[in-house]
Order: sequence, then C-alpha cells, then structure tokens
Amino acid sequence: GAGVSQSPRYKVAKRGQDVALRCDPISGHVSLFWYQQALGQGPEFLTYFQNEAQLDKSGLPSDRFFAERPEGSVSTLKIQRTQQEDSAVYLCASSSGAEQFFGPGTRLTVL
Amino acid sequence: GQQLNQSPQSMFIQEGEDVSMNCTSSSIFNTWLWYKQDPGEGPVLLIALYKAGELTSNGRLTAQFGITRKDSFLNISASIPSDVGIYFCAGRGEYGNKLVFGAGTILRVKS
Repeated sequence: GAGVSQSPRYKVAKRGQDVALRCDPISGHVSLFWYQQALGQGPEFLTYFQNEAQLDKSGLPSDRFFAERPEGSVSTLKIQRTQQEDSAVYLCASSSGAEQFFGPGTRLTVL
Repeated sequence: GQQLNQSPQSMFIQEGEDVSMNCTSSSIFNTWLWYKQDPGEGPVLLIALYKAGELTSNGRLTAQFGITRKDSFLNISASIPSDVGIYFCAGRGEYGNKLVFGAGTILRVKS
C-alpha cells in the first residue's frame, strides 16, 4: 500500500502477557519511528531506526520494551510482561526527510 | 526535556468562522509540523515549515514558523464541519530526528 500500516489495530492483553506490534513503513523510507500516545495526550517518542540500526531508544520507558527492524523495512515493537500503565495507542511513523508519516496505530489495552 | 505548549486546549466555533491556534516552546526547533488526528486514526500531516519566518498555505490552512524558532501558529479559514478533530503541533530539534508534540487542540464546529 501507499501508506504506513500497523497490525493489529487493537490488542487486549492480560497483565503479564507479552505482546508484539508490527509496523510496515512506506516503501523506501529509511527512517522509522515508534511513538506512544496516552489518552488525551500528544504522541511521545519511543525509539528511532535508520535502516536496520536503532539510533535512538531514549524514549523506551523500561527494559520491558524492545524494538527491532532486522532488514531495514518492517519493524516490531515488543512489550514483555505488560502492565496496566502500558495501555495506550502505539503509533509508527516513517520518513525519507524531515516529514514523518504516521500509521493508524495499535490500541493496546492491558487488563 | 523539551515541551511544547499548545493553545487553546479546545475550541467550539461556528461553521464559517476562522480559527487560530498556536504552539510555543522553550527550545529552538528546526522544523515545525502541524498534524490533524481523527478518532481511531493516526495523525495526518497538514503543513511542514522549515525556515524561521516562513509562512505556508495548504488550501484553507495557513501556518507560520516563528522568527525566534520557538513558536508556530496555524490558521484555518472559513471552517467547515469536517475540520472537527484534534490538531497537534510538533517540533523537530537541532539534534536528532524525533518529533516533540504539543498536547493538542480539540476543534469542534457547530453547523
């Protein structure tokens, strides 16, 4: 497709479960970003890839959060041992310059 | 860390009215971006600004990059019902590629 896609769109997890969120960036975009958006707030930066290299992971809230982009295209954000405070929308964005284009997000609810 | 102050928090206006919202920061940004987010969707890029003092239009939207590089505003002229949504400003700093977002302006239009 022409835009950024994310799957699943919705995920419900029991506290303590591991989850994996997928992002398919716009074809050819070198840069890929993950953001977390809490209800009623703006997105907050989690991590950034340039091709397969993770250049900035300063926004990851704990070591339970892990992201990868092994072939420089699709990326996966993994959250281990989910907690209720992890409930949020997780947004992926890709770019080839300064402008970032966002996917629809994955809404994660941890019960 | 970097923070953006976005105002107003929400607006309820009549169809046909002009709308203005702004963002200020204590830090300098090299790029300002304005996004619109509809419920259940990711942010959609409206306008990108790259130079201090730059004024850019996109249809009924006009945005400016402040001379000090610490602020930006977005104007919407002759608002219509489909303008309803949440508008976010985002800044990209001198170092790094991540975006810092404001908390959003909720726009409601009375037809």
